[in-house]
Amino acid sequence: NAGVMQNPRHLVRRRGQEARLRCSPMKGHSHVYWYRQLPEEGLKFMVYLQKENIIDESGMPKERFSAEFPKEGPSILRIQQVVRGDSAAYFCASSPSPQDTDTQYFGPGTRLTVL
Amino acid sequence: DAKTTQPPSMDCAEGRAANLPCNHSTISGNEYVYWYRQIHSQGPQYIIHGLKNNETNEMASLIITEDRKSSTLILPHATLRDTAVYYCIVRVVNMGRRALTFGSGTRLQVQP
Repeated sequence: NAGVMQNPRHLVRRRGQEARLRCSPMKGHSHVYWYRQLPEEGLKFMVYLQKENIIDESGMPKERFSAEFPKEGPSILRIQQVVRGDSAAYFCASSPSPQDTDTQYFGPGTRLTVL
Repeated sequence: DAKTTQPPSMDCAEGRAANLPCNHSTISGNEYVYWYRQIHSQGPQYIIHGLKNNETNEMASLIITEDRKSSTLILPHATLRDTAVYYCIVRVVNMGRRALTFGSGTRLQVQP
């Protein structure tokens, strides 16, 4: 059973460009979470999605950032007009359908570098 | 979610048990204790979780005190590959709030 897949693993963008990060959840998982880890800092929650719905985006910056999890295909985290402060590791996690405990399983991350 | 307190760092000799403590004195009755670890630059790895009873799996054991105000993660025979930052997370699980809140964790260094 393949784990959570993220691509690309490394992404380099110049200031002002767009970054698209993809996350394919584990088979059978319908919940996706995005976290960001700035250099030398802990992971911070950004957004939680189910298929075609954003459930909790309380950790998402209000501007330039958006996320989607379409009916078909991977979840996408999009960052428009990137700035140097967006340089970080972005981790995606997935969990199965709702239940009393929902263990989240993480992918390997995408390391974004903004020049 | 309840706040947790962990020592910033610990050392352990290879082959010995590593006992990582976590204080969560404000935990409420419906909050679970989760443990994750992050090996350098990799994605966090789920280890174990529990509510009241002690738990054991192939990776570790989780000991929760009777009053649930603290817990200990035990790696029975630490190896060099167990060197990582270990996060103790306390959270209630419901439909609307499912985010994990990562603190600073404990940096475990397993020494040869």
